[in-house]
Amino acid sequence: DQQVKQNSPSLSVQEGRISILNCDYTNSMFDYFLWYKKYPAEGPTFLISISSIKDKNEDGRFTVFLNKSAKHLSLHIVPSQPGDSAVYFCAAKNGGSNYKLTFGKGTLLTVNP
Amino acid sequence: GAVVSQHPSWVICKSGTSVKIECRSLDFQATTMFWYRQFPKQSLMLMATSNEGSKATYEQGVEKDKFLINHASLTLSTLTVTSAHPEDSSFYICSMRNSGHFEAFFGQGTRLTVV
Repeated sequence: DQQVKQNSPSLSVQEGRISILNCDYTNSMFDYFLWYKKYPAEGPTFLISISSIKDKNEDGRFTVFLNKSAKHLSLHIVPSQPGDSAVYFCAAKNGGSNYKLTFGKGTLLTVNP
Repeated sequence: GAVVSQHPSWVICKSGTSVKIECRSLDFQATTMFWYRQFPKQSLMLMATSNEGSKATYEQGVEKDKFLINHASLTLSTLTVTSAHPEDSSFYICSMRNSGHFEAFFGQGTRLTVV
């Protein structure tokens, strides 16, 4: 039972355009969401997060939007750069004290020059 | 940002031997540590969670006698894969968080190949 779903295994965009990465979840107990970026043979790097009490968080070129009623979040990258090419994982934390994260399968973003 | 150092980055071992992977937080104290494994084109699968001073809590289906986790201090955790078999070949990643922060920081990962 996959509680965090990233339905697009890959996404290709042109440099300078917007990249939109989507994530859906099923567990209404999730109270915190995070996006990680991962290069091959490396560990994930934390990008940006959002609490379930907010609907938007922005950090430079990265913005995360949360739609709780739809159980959907998205990561917007604008403008996209070739260095953004990586696998992006959506992760969610269950309310409570154990801080375990549930990850989606990831979306491979390719930004073409 | 917080730095987590994991090593070795890759290791090849013979079937039946044991392999130890180390994970250190370099600039913060890690109150909680997590170990994941990742198969090709799959998500990160949580293996176990440990808090300093407590035994690790293993996820369902993860053999605790095979994957020994030691949360030695607030800056060090080790994962030992005992009696490794080819099916244990995978990418293992540690992650750590400190109190007051939800985001966890990841090590570089270890590619284990058992031959």
